[in-house]
Amino acid sequence: AQSVTQLDSHVSVSEGTPVLLRCNYSSSYSPSLFWYVQHPNKGLQLLLKYTSAATLVKGINGFEAEFKKSETSFHLTKPSAHMSDAAEYFCVVSDLRDDKIIFGKGTRLHILP
Amino acid sequence: DSGVTQTPKHLITATGQRVTLRCSPRSGDLSVYWYQQSLDQGLQFLIQYYNGEERAKGNILERFSAQQFPDLHSELNLSSLELGDSALYFCASSLNRQGTIYFGEGSWLTVV
Repeated sequence: AQSVTQLDSHVSVSEGTPVLLRCNYSSSYSPSLFWYVQHPNKGLQLLLKYTSAATLVKGINGFEAEFKKSETSFHLTKPSAHMSDAAEYFCVVSDLRDDKIIFGKGTRLHILP
Repeated sequence: DSGVTQTPKHLITATGQRVTLRCSPRSGDLSVYWYQQSLDQGLQFLIQYYNGEERAKGNILERFSAQQFPDLHSELNLSSLELGDSALYFCASSLNRQGTIYFGEGSWLTVV
């Protein structure tokens, strides 16, 4: 069965410093992995996705994520945080064999001035 | 703009009432998903349709039902509403099972 774990419910970083949001997944087949961002009172916006091409995936707004099969991880990073990055981030896993799409519980990113 | 349209954006209704939330998927997308997001439960998957047929079911209450019509738009019907049904309801769509899921802006439901 698939599962996804976001290791931190809240992350606080100072503006201009790196961001790391951690995500571990479990899937017995080749998964597709996504990161979504949700700003307050808004819908979820796709940041980036991994679908078995390059393991380092670049997304919008300077975010990227690296698929590490050996560690079953898909951590989201950004070199320099901006105030506008304050939001909730969801890691998502799906695979070819069933129609279930599993969302992590979300990580709320706080940006300190 | 994701291309997924949800109406209404906001809705206030009384307990015991019934409401219908509507979703138009992105052009060409065959799959429609419904999610409920509340402060205490987080993001919960309710149900998925693919080309008019129910494909997957999540934590959807018996008081709730959904359908996808031949033109691929979908409706989520919520009946015998309770205070705890107050939430943000998202519709999302994708081209197929493996496709990227695109979310609408959501419908805010407040039950008073």
